[in-house]
Amino acid sequence: GAVVSQHPSRVICKSGTSVKIECRSLDFQATTMFWYRQFPKQSLMLMATSNEGSKATYEQGVEKDKFLINHASLTLSTLTVTSAHPEDSSFYICSARDWQGADSNQPQHFGDGTRLSIL
Amino acid sequence: GENVEQHPSTLSVQEGDSAVIKCTYSDSASNYFPWYKQELGKGPQLIIDIRSNVGEKKDQRIAVTLNKTAKHFSLHITETQPEDSAVYFCAATEGFQKLVFGTGTRLLVSP
Repeated sequence: GAVVSQHPSRVICKSGTSVKIECRSLDFQATTMFWYRQFPKQSLMLMATSNEGSKATYEQGVEKDKFLINHASLTLSTLTVTSAHPEDSSFYICSARDWQGADSNQPQHFGDGTRLSIL
Repeated sequence: GENVEQHPSTLSVQEGDSAVIKCTYSDSASNYFPWYKQELGKGPQLIIDIRSNVGEKKDQRIAVTLNKTAKHFSLHITETQPEDSAVYFCAATEGFQKLVFGTGTRLLVSP
């Protein structure tokens, strides 16, 4: 149980392109999904928290117009990197938390990440 | 906000030995502490977690201990195997939903 699917696993594209990454919870409903960015040999840095049916909450320093997040259903959140540039190249990982009412201490389950390379 | 420190950054052990990874946190309000294993090119996988009302939890070869007074928690892996080689991350809650991650420990188990 608690499987999170993330697509695509790898994207290589030209500078100026917009890229959409999908994150799906396959066997549970996720009212909250999270988007992280990870640089080589570094830890996970939270970019934004996505709540179903409402606007995402972005972490300080993350440009919301650059990284568009949509969470239209209980099983799908998308991250769109708009007008991507080489400095946006990174490993992007989503996670989803199983809805359990008011219990906030439910595990986050991660997808396998998307490696984005902007040429 | 929450700050999580993790040590060591790298750990090399022989197969069959035990491995211990330690983390400290700063926010006394944190109440949930998961551990993740990340293999190369993959997302983190939850291996064990502990809540603040429990001091120790064990799952086969893996155990986690929590000292709320000292604000530190540790991961213990016994009888290590080569397939345990990966990067391990500890994390602690910040606020209602967020997790703050440690800097990671690269574990290498040599046969």
